[in-house]
Amino acid sequence: AQSVTQLDSHVSVSEGTPVLLRCNYSSSYSPSLFWYVQHPNKGLQLLLKYTSAATLVKGINGFEAEFKKSETSFHLTKPSAHMSDAAEYFCVVTLRTGNQFYFGTGTSLTVIP
Amino acid sequence: KAGVTQTPRYLIKTRGQQVTLSCSPISGHRSVSWYQQTPGQGLQFLFEYFSETQRNKGNFPGRFSGRQFSNSRSEMNVSTLELGDSALYLCASSPTRWRGDSYNEQVFGPGTRLTVL
Repeated sequence: AQSVTQLDSHVSVSEGTPVLLRCNYSSSYSPSLFWYVQHPNKGLQLLLKYTSAATLVKGINGFEAEFKKSETSFHLTKPSAHMSDAAEYFCVVTLRTGNQFYFGTGTSLTVIP
Repeated sequence: KAGVTQTPRYLIKTRGQQVTLSCSPISGHRSVSWYQQTPGQGLQFLFEYFSETQRNKGNFPGRFSGRQFSNSRSEMNVSTLELGDSALYLCASSPTRWRGDSYNEQVFGPGTRLTVL
């Protein structure tokens, strides 16, 4: 079975402080992992993707994530939050032998000015 | 490069009616997936089409169906609408599902907001 767990449904940070959004996955096989962001009333936009080439993945807008197989984690980080980062973030897993994307329940990020 | 387009963007229907939603993938993309997003259930996979064939289906009743045309455009149909079908329906496309070392990311459209009264 495969699934993702986003450990926090809501995260609040002050502008300019670091962001950490946590994601744990469950997978029987080598996974592909993604982070997507959804701004209000918009579709989902890809932030970054883990392809097994490198465990530290850099994405758009200063975000990055580190794949840790031993911890089955794929946490999303950003050194300094910006007001425009306020949105819903989704961790996604899919498998080499699977056919579909499995979404986490999402983490709502609030950035306080 | 044009993105994934979905029409209509907003739709209001009444219970018992049926609805058809349309999705045009990015040019060259052959895989189209559909998702339902609700506040209570989050993002749930409906089905995926690749080269006009349904490759995988989520856990939804038979009232939800889809198809893909030879130009990769896709439609999904919901018959006998229920209040619980009110949701944002998202379409996503990718060139292929597998590219040798990992799955391709999916590019999402803006969604169709369906309200069932």
